[in-house]
Amino acid sequence: GDSVTQMEGPVTLSEEAFLTINCTYTATGYPSLFWYVQYPGEGLQLLLKATKADDKGSNKGFEATYRKETTSFHLEKGSVQVSDSAVYFCALRGNAGGTSYGKLTFGQGTILTVHP
Amino acid sequence: ETGVTQTPRHLVMGMTNKKSLKCEQHLGHNAMYWYKQSAKKPLELMFVYNFKEQTENNSVPSRFSPECPNSSHLFLHLHTLQPEDSALYLCASSQDAGVSANYGYTFGSGTRLTVV
Repeated sequence: GDSVTQMEGPVTLSEEAFLTINCTYTATGYPSLFWYVQYPGEGLQLLLKATKADDKGSNKGFEATYRKETTSFHLEKGSVQVSDSAVYFCALRGNAGGTSYGKLTFGQGTILTVHP
Repeated sequence: ETGVTQTPRHLVMGMTNKKSLKCEQHLGHNAMYWYKQSAKKPLELMFVYNFKEQTENNSVPSRFSPECPNSSHLFLHLHTLQPEDSALYLCASSQDAGVSANYGYTFGSGTRLTVV
């Protein structure tokens, strides 16, 4: 079945540092890919998405590019802020039929802490 | 305002109590989901409803009983819970559970449940 693997955290950075959170996936066909963010005490919010190969999703300074050749969707931000401290989830939604069809499959989440 | 509203935000209940969690969405979505988020564990999909019909039950114990009276409302009825059921319970909705795979889910803020 479909699966998503994220780099293990926690990740601790200083303000204005460069951020990369790695995400790779296993899926049949051409899934849609997502990054969700969860701030303390809140639910998950959609951060960005990409629906086909080579698409780049972007929002709030975060970017991720759908790389089918490496089955990856790494999250990047050039200069993090303290307010970016949260848990980040990579996810895919399969569209190739079978038992995974339409399901949103999550990675385990990566805790990011940004210090002033 | 995320479009998906969960009540209550916090709930403390004894092991012999009966309580219900409520989820409401006004996004015109036809699929609704319950997830369980425990500390240091991946998000667990519990139930899926598509057009008011339950399409998935991921081996959830019978002390959790979902109800979906219409596409806008989803309940999770709780009875005789155990302390290990303490977690954040998240509700989500989507266009539908299958064909609109390009779209992610919209999540509520969750109910923080503590079983004492």
